[in-house]
Amino acid sequence: EPEVTQTPSHQVTQMGQEVILRCVPISNHLYFYWYRQILGQKVEFLVSFYNNEISEKSEIFDDQFSVERPDGSNFTLKIRSTKLEDSAMYFCASSLSGGTGDYEQYFGPGTRLTVT
Amino acid sequence: GEDVEQSLFLSVREGDSSVINCTYTDSSSTYLYWYKQEPGAGLQLLTYIFSNMDMKQDQRLTVLLNKKDKHLSLRIADTQTGDSAIYFCAESISAGNNRKLIWGLGTSLAVNP
Repeated sequence: EPEVTQTPSHQVTQMGQEVILRCVPISNHLYFYWYRQILGQKVEFLVSFYNNEISEKSEIFDDQFSVERPDGSNFTLKIRSTKLEDSAMYFCASSLSGGTGDYEQYFGPGTRLTVT
Repeated sequence: GEDVEQSLFLSVREGDSSVINCTYTDSSSTYLYWYKQEPGAGLQLLTYIFSNMDMKQDQRLTVLLNKKDKHLSLRIADTQTGDSAIYFCAESISAGNNRKLIWGLGTSLAVNP
């Protein structure tokens, strides 16, 4: 069964460093998402992406964050200068459709980001 | 604003039914989802219900939706120890030309032998 994959599974970085989290969505899916879950808190929407541009972003997704689909398979989340409060589990998701129809979002296993 | 609430813990005996409840606030939700997260694993889509339905059954899982009260429940029949996990309720709301999920905090289900 097709699945969303994410690498790395765990990333430790120092405050102020740049990190890139990688995701390979399901191959025929067209809509891509990043969510994060800070320990003990709710899963939060960060950004959605379609047709090589951001569809919507949350207040969390400030200028320190960016997303890119550099080729036909990868979808990346970059944090330019990490802060302690960026420590969280980051989930990538993809869906076949967006606004209507079959748009169940399928999630990857997550990348645990630890900022020290 | 949008919000989804769930009870945090549920403990049942193996073989009993489990009922996990959820309330949501956004009346424009079109799909409501249940995801399962096992320890150390990702978010697994379990089932979903469209907002014009009252009930959906999928093997041991039954989803009930009361749209008037904005209440969603997930019933797991004949609960097994392998069902022990965190269960998340999520509502799908419009986000530009796309949709985003608003999540509950998750209900931790413990199944005792």
